Amino acid sequence: GGIITQTPKFLIGQEGQKLTLKCQQNFNHDTMYWYRQDSGKGLRLIYYSITENDLQKGDLSEGYDASREKKSSFSLTVTSAQKNEMAVFLCASTAGTGASYEQYFGPGTRLTVL
Amino acid sequence: QQKVQQSPESLIVPEGGMASLNCTSSDRNVDYFWWYRQHSGKSPKMLMSIFSNGEKEEGRFTVHLNKASLHTSLHIRDSQPSDSALYLCAARYNTNTGKLTFGDGTVLTVKP
Repeated sequence: GGIITQTPKFLIGQEGQKLTLKCQQNFNHDTMYWYRQDSGKGLRLIYYSITENDLQKGDLSEGYDASREKKSSFSLTVTSAQKNEMAVFLCASTAGTGASYEQYFGPGTRLTVL
Repeated sequence: QQKVQQSPESLIVPEGGMASLNCTSSDRNVDYFWWYRQHSGKSPKMLMSIFSNGEKEEGRFTVHLNKASLHTSLHIRDSQPSDSALYLCAARYNTNTGKLTFGDGTVLTVKP
């Protein structure tokens, strides 16, 4: 088994601020994802990385940057926080990109922008 | 537009009852459906996946798939209050990226 850790658990920022969220996994998984979840809604893909040194945009990449520092870690940056923005950011990983590979999720970072 | 549609948005069933949740893809190039359960304040956990026509049963949970209509359904029998959660359906399309497209979910409440 393994675990995904996300830091911080809660993040409060100011409008216009640049904010960074971190994700670490010890599954030794190749592929990692960042999703955004608005209250009571589904998940929308922001960025993903198929292998170390790969970075690809998802459907919601505008306003975000990402970085895959090494195989086990994947960071997401909110480039300019929007006032009254509230969402949970979920990191996930999977062993590969084949159809049967399950995605495992971290506990999330809850963002509030004042 | 949303490729994965779930219905109903919310569902209330009595304890011991049957809950039925639906999910349809608007894109024909789907090769796998996943069902995740997310309790309030927690992260999504995979429940079941299906890629072949027919049904698959695991304990109280049964998943059906009709590939012709691009429709999958999740049925929970003998529902328990602990089953109260947001149920998310996700579709994997024919790409080599492993990307999933999620629906907005069904909120299930099981009343004791």
